[in-house]
Amino acid sequence: SQQGEEDPQALSIQEGENATMNCSYKTSINNLQWYRQNSGRGLVHLILIRSNEREKHSGRLRVTLDTSKKSSSLLITASRAADTASYFCATDSNSGGGADGLTFGKGTHLIIQP
Amino acid sequence: GAGVSQSPRYKVAKRGQDVALRCDPISGHVSLFWYQQALGQGPEFLTYFQNEAQLDKSGLPSDRFFAERPEGSVSTLKIQRTQQEDSAVYLCASSLGGAAGYGYTFGSGTRLTVV
Repeated sequence: SQQGEEDPQALSIQEGENATMNCSYKTSINNLQWYRQNSGRGLVHLILIRSNEREKHSGRLRVTLDTSKKSSSLLITASRAADTASYFCATDSNSGGGADGLTFGKGTHLIIQP
Repeated sequence: GAGVSQSPRYKVAKRGQDVALRCDPISGHVSLFWYQQALGQGPEFLTYFQNEAQLDKSGLPSDRFFAERPEGSVSTLKIQRTQQEDSAVYLCASSLGGAAGYGYTFGSGTRLTVV
């Protein structure tokens, strides 16, 4: 079963614009991660935000986390054609000492038009 | 190697055939995960290893699925008597430790098509 729900399912914007994707989840988490997947390829880890953090930046990426609303957002600023991909949020609910893996949403397919 | 390596990249199997998918994790990564990704969906957890110990196999969809990591490095996912619903991309991921807080490194996956 998939815990995360990304919104929107698909997003098409012009190059240079900002892209915002949202993720909602159901259970309490230790951290939330965002991944990118290009067509036919594996997932690439973008950023991890812990449950006690509210915002994190990495280059053109900004992630926010609101644990009271069980939601997160990923902002990509100044988008480029190479950002075209599917983006997944994944929650880690492991309580430590072991792991049962990440739970992924269905993803947002982002298309950057040149 | 520098990343997680999976082989084969593509596999076409006739229904009823057994298949074996291989994953070479990053050297030194304790944790190894297998995921199944259907077309247009997010990856779904199958099983987890910490070194050679299979700590969680709750995601394996049936007893036709079996995974092993005998020496705590390379892992093999075996599917017996493949069915059409097994068609998917099978992703392997590794990470440094079993505790929360580490990002995962994924391989490029094996695309399995059962005909």
